[in-house]
Amino acid sequence: EPEVTQTPSHQVTQMGQEVILRCVPISNHLYFYWYRQILGQKVEFLVSFYNNEISEKSEIFDDQFSVERPDGSNFTLKIRSTKLEDSAMYFCASSLEGGAGQPQHFGDGTRLSIL
Amino acid sequence: QKEVEQDPGPLSVPEGAIVSLNCTYSNSAFQYFMWYRQYSRKGPELLMYTYSSGNKEDGRFTAQVDKSSKYISLFIRDSQPSDSATYLCAMSGSGGSNYKLTFGKGTLLTVNP
Repeated sequence: EPEVTQTPSHQVTQMGQEVILRCVPISNHLYFYWYRQILGQKVEFLVSFYNNEISEKSEIFDDQFSVERPDGSNFTLKIRSTKLEDSAMYFCASSLEGGAGQPQHFGDGTRLSIL
Repeated sequence: QKEVEQDPGPLSVPEGAIVSLNCTYSNSAFQYFMWYRQYSRKGPELLMYTYSSGNKEDGRFTAQVDKSSKYISLFIRDSQPSDSATYLCAMSGSGGSNYKLTFGKGTLLTVNP
């Protein structure tokens, strides 16, 4: 079964450094998402992306965050200057179609640890 | 009031038991309801997906939505040790938000052999 793949599985970074998290969505999917889950808390929506544009973002997704689809297969999340509170699991998801109610399929996540 | 509330458990049942997992929500704009299963160190895996009120069955799993009570349930029949995981409810269709899933905190389920 097709799946969303994320790399690396674990990233350790010094506070203030830039980090890029990578995702390969399911190949025929057109809509892409990032979520995060701080330890012990809910999975939270960060951003959705379609046709090379952000379609929706949460209040968490401030100017320190950016997303990009640099080629036909990868989807990346960049955090420019990491803070301690950015430590979390980051999940990439994709869906075939957009809009409310479309099933989103998740990768296994990248655990980001900020020191 | 939190947008989606889910009892985190933990819930421990013997193999073969019927399991009932529930979420309540406050936003009446939610129209789409999902259940995800998350094994340790893995991402959420879509289990069930329903629109509006009603029931949906898939094998041992039944999802129920009661929009009038703002209450959703997932039932697992003949539970197996392999069902041991965290179960997350998720919802979407909230007013102007077309893409965002809003999750509950998850219920940790252990099925004992």
